[in-house]
Amino acid sequence: LAKTTQPISMDSYEGQEVNITCSHNNIATNDYITWYQQFPSQGPRFIIQGYKTKVTNEVASLFIPADRKSSTLSLPRVSLSDTAVYYCLVGRRALTFGSGTRLQVQP
Amino acid sequence: EPEVTQTPSHQVTQMGQEVILRCVPISNHLYFYWYRQILGQKVEFLVSFYNNEISEKSEIFDDQFSVERPDGSNFTLKIRSTKLEDSAMYFCASSEAQGPTGSGANVLTFGAGSRLTVL
Repeated sequence: LAKTTQPISMDSYEGQEVNITCSHNNIATNDYITWYQQFPSQGPRFIIQGYKTKVTNEVASLFIPADRKSSTLSLPRVSLSDTAVYYCLVGRRALTFGSGTRLQVQP
Repeated sequence: EPEVTQTPSHQVTQMGQEVILRCVPISNHLYFYWYRQILGQKVEFLVSFYNNEISEKSEIFDDQFSVERPDGSNFTLKIRSTKLEDSAMYFCASSEAQGPTGSGANVLTFGAGSRLTVL
């Protein structure tokens, strides 16, 4: 299983763009990268998934360099409601959550 | 939007008692999962279930735990003899596929969780 490393926490202000990077040096050829968001006392919620290059949806963008050893979740113009823990999972089955990145958005 | 439903939302029990947590997965999903999250800690995988049998389980999922799909809609987690350290939020999840078939990796839809407090 590919091990992932993320910053423990990040701080931002409303309206800023936030980029959270996840390292996954031993990602396998068939592995996908999946990001979830978790609010306190709620279950994780799927945000975005990608394999290479760039993926964008209505919530976020995911940037994956050619070597795929890392990925960056980009949240445009964050608001207070984006305060949450963000998890990067790697694999075709992607079942194991790491410690995640706790994002705190200030007014 | 389809959702995973869990009951009860909160259960308080005495140590040594049996607890059953219930989940109704999304209707066209074929894979089911249980996770737990101890307060302040990370989300831990317990077990995955497909075609009426366990497909994978973690070392946490020992003999005191069991899962069952008693009918076409419910998916249950039973803890036979609860311990203080079983106090946690338990999340059920379901997915359409488990990765290897088709493109992409499986995407889990989680329920709101059942908070278990063992006294």
